[in-house]
Amino acid sequence: GAVVSQHPSRVICKSGTSVKIECRSLDFQATTMFWYRQFPKQSLMLMATSNEGSKATYEQGVEKDKFLINHASLTLSTLTVTSAHPEDSSFYICSASPGRGLNSPLHFGNGTRLTVT
Amino acid sequence: GQSLEQPSEVTAVEGAIVQINCTYQTSGFYGLSWYQQHDGGAPTFLSYNALDGLEETGRFSSFLSRSDSYGYLLLQELQMKDSASYFCARPSGGSQGNLIFGKGTKLSVKP
Repeated sequence: GAVVSQHPSRVICKSGTSVKIECRSLDFQATTMFWYRQFPKQSLMLMATSNEGSKATYEQGVEKDKFLINHASLTLSTLTVTSAHPEDSSFYICSASPGRGLNSPLHFGNGTRLTVT
Repeated sequence: GQSLEQPSEVTAVEGAIVQINCTYQTSGFYGLSWYQQHDGGAPTFLSYNALDGLEETGRFSSFLSRSDSYGYLLLQELQMKDSASYFCARPSGGSQGNLIFGKGTKLSVKP
C-alpha cells in the first residue's frame, strides 16, 4: 500500500530556532501533499497544501512566512517552522494520496511531535 | 458551514458492537470519510461514503444518509486493539486532501 514517511518523529528545540520536517511518499509520486497540525486531544486542522513546482496554498490564519513549505520533487515536501515559539508546540502530520479522486484515501505520515522550550 | 459533530467518548466491551455517529452541515458536501488514530500515531483511512447506504469492510462498516446529513461508523466484534480515536471527515470545496475533521470520538474497549 501507499506509504508516507515523515522525519523526524520528535524534536525539541529552543524558542527562536527553526525546525525542518520532511515528508516523503515512498512508493508513489505526489504532486500535492498536505500538512496538518493537531494540538493535544484535538482534531486535525489543515495548515497548507504543498504543490510540487509551485507555491504552497495556506489556510486562513496560517502564517506563510512562519511555516515555510517547499515541494522540491514529486516525492518530497518539507515544512520549516521558523523562529519557533512555545505556542508552536504541536503534532505536525503530512499526508498525500496516490490517487486524485475524492474516494482515494489520504495516507498520513507518522507525524512529528514538536516541543519548543 | 462545513463542521461535523461526533460524540467525544464511547466505551464498550470486547466482542460488542459500537456505533459512532457523525452529523454534518450540508453546505458543499462531497462525501464522508472515517479515520482511525491510535494515541501518538498517524490517522489511518477506514472508509469513504459518497452515496447513501452501507459500506462494509470486514468488522467495520460505514453508513451515510445525505437526506439526514448523518453518517455512522459501525464496529463489530470489538477487540482491545480497536481502542483509538475515530474521526469523521469531509472534503472541503471538493478537494481530496483538504479534509475537515470532526473533533474525534475516543473509543475505549474494556475486557
